[in-house]
Amino acid sequence: SQQGEEDPQALSIQEGENATMNCSYKTSINNLQWYRQNSGRGLVHLILIRSNEREKHSGRLRVTLDTSKKSSSLLITASRAADTASYFCATVDNYGQNFVFGPGTRLSVLP
Amino acid sequence: DAMVIQNPRYQVTQFGKPVTLSCSQTLNHNVMYWYQQKSSQAPKLLFHYYDKDFNNEADTPDNFQSRRPNTSFCFLDIRSPGLGDAAMYLCATSRDNFEGLKRYEQYFGPGTRLTVT
Repeated sequence: SQQGEEDPQALSIQEGENATMNCSYKTSINNLQWYRQNSGRGLVHLILIRSNEREKHSGRLRVTLDTSKKSSSLLITASRAADTASYFCATVDNYGQNFVFGPGTRLSVLP
Repeated sequence: DAMVIQNPRYQVTQFGKPVTLSCSQTLNHNVMYWYQQKSSQAPKLLFHYYDKDFNNEADTPDNFQSRRPNTSFCFLDIRSPGLGDAAMYLCATSRDNFEGLKRYEQYFGPGTRLTVT
């Protein structure tokens, strides 16, 4: 079954640095979504990128999508302590049916 | 503000004692999802309602059932909770159009943490 796989599993950086997380998947997709989850809370949607898009921006977030490599990256620029959370990618398959989360990257931003 | 609400936030039940978790939404979304999330793992989809149509994931145990009496409310029933069912249960909604292959972002509630004693 299709599944997003995140890399790295855990990332620790200093405040002000950039954080990059990667997501790989196995089959053709309709879209790919990134979510953030603070400890013990629900998930918050960050960005949705469709299969015909290559890059999207939202504030300090930049998402890229390379369908030839079946991979996506999430870049958080000028990170803050409040960015500390788990970040999940989720893929929707090309039939628009299966919606699957990757295992997530746990980001720690140290003040 | 439009939102997804889950009650209770924390639920303790005894082994084998039925428990119901509830979810409500003010977004008027047609699709509602239930996920199970165990510590340090990704959310795992249990089932979803597309309007009134119930869709069960293949590996969701029979112990888990769901009801959606109207657009706004959805319930997760665990008939005989085991220790392995202790987890965070997340409800989510979306305005997906499956036939039109239009899939959108999901809006999550804060979750209900279930403890089984």
